[in-house]
Amino acid sequence: GIQVEQSPPDLILQEGANSTLRCNFSDSVNNLQWFHQNPWGQLINLFYIPSGTKQNGRLSATTVATERYSLLYISSSQTTDSGVYFCAVNNDMRFGAGTRLTVKP
Amino acid sequence: DAGVIQSPRHEVTEMGQEVTLRCKPISGHNSLFWYRQTMMRGLELLIYFNNNVPIDDSGMPEDRFSAKMPNASFSTLKIQPSEPRDSAVYFCASSERYEQYFGPGTRLTVT
Repeated sequence: GIQVEQSPPDLILQEGANSTLRCNFSDSVNNLQWFHQNPWGQLINLFYIPSGTKQNGRLSATTVATERYSLLYISSSQTTDSGVYFCAVNNDMRFGAGTRLTVKP
Repeated sequence: DAGVIQSPRHEVTEMGQEVTLRCKPISGHNSLFWYRQTMMRGLELLIYFNNNVPIDDSGMPEDRFSAKMPNASFSTLKIQPSEPRDSAVYFCASSERYEQYFGPGTRLTVT
């Protein structure tokens, strides 16, 4: 099946810094979503983005389907951005292992 | 809307017992998903329904697991008999088109 790899596995930032999270996938996809799991375990959908670019406030995402990767940008990070960020692909929702982000005040 | 509702939030049971997890999706959503999250295996899709019909159950680990969706507002995931390796957080999610909305999860501990 399709392989999904996320990098970096861990990221520590100072509040106010920007970051880029990456999701690589091994085959073409018809569905790609980014999720945030907060420190209390709640999973929140950030973007549905099988291709192109979307923005929502301080977050934006870009998927280059032909090159099999997606990027999640977080600008002016806040402590509330801490948690684990997952990408998931295709209808069987194959998840990557996640990037654990810690934003320090 | 109250969001996706799952019950119970925590369940502790003994090996061999039957466990039933419940989910109420967001009203108007036509797809429902069951996931399992463990440290070892991460997040895994177990099964998903579209318009109450199971579409893909290839993620269900074995015959001890079964899921039903008798109507658009209710689904169950049953484990019978339960084993310690079933200990995990089980999430339910629903969607209208593509964006999935997750419930708070059920933390299951099988001793």
